[in-house]
Amino acid sequence: QKEVEQNSGPLSVPEGAIASLNCTYSDRVSQSFFWYRQYSGKSPELIMSIYSNGDKEDGRFTAQLNKASQYVSLLIRDSQPSDSATYLCALNPGGGSNYKLTFGKGTLLTVNP
Amino acid sequence: ETGVTQTPRHLVMGMTNKKSLKCEQHLGHNAMYWYKQSAKKPLELMFVYNFKEQTENNSVPSRFSPECPNSSHLFLHLHTLQPEDSALYLCASSRYRGDIQYFGAGTRLSVL
Repeated sequence: QKEVEQNSGPLSVPEGAIASLNCTYSDRVSQSFFWYRQYSGKSPELIMSIYSNGDKEDGRFTAQLNKASQYVSLLIRDSQPSDSATYLCALNPGGGSNYKLTFGKGTLLTVNP
Repeated sequence: ETGVTQTPRHLVMGMTNKKSLKCEQHLGHNAMYWYKQSAKKPLELMFVYNFKEQTENNSVPSRFSPECPNSSHLFLHLHTLQPEDSALYLCASSRYRGDIQYFGAGTRLSVL
């Protein structure tokens, strides 16, 4: 049973639009959620972390968490071509220090000029 | 710069060679990880170390041998590799196993 599901994409949006990336998970006790961005040929870098239900905003990025529905999403406002990358959703399935992060397969986002 | 340094950045080796990848973290973290990422494929977790002890080996072939002499250093010893082992090898560290992982820049490995 897969623990973290992401649409593989590719997701294509025009420059200036809102890009919406979604992630669902199966373990109800998951407490910590993360979004990473990975440019082609580069290593993943952390964009956002979210631990509580609701929205968390950081610049053009907004993470949304709904634990009841078991999904976490990432919204990118005013998308730029430089946002074109693979976005990885990750979570701590147990919520504590005895568990490791579980990564989704990633969604490839392309922002067209 | 994430505080996780990997060397070398690029490595080309023959199938009979022996080489090692090195990872060093300057973040005071206690958990370290090796991942493999093949072209256009998702991250594959290989090994997990927590306080220098190996806690996970995801059915990795024995031609990959990890070593963790202390919480700041992690090695991946390579021998008798196959062409299909060509990939980007990523090291990561975190304060504890469920916490945010910070990745090194990776080693791009080509096996001829």
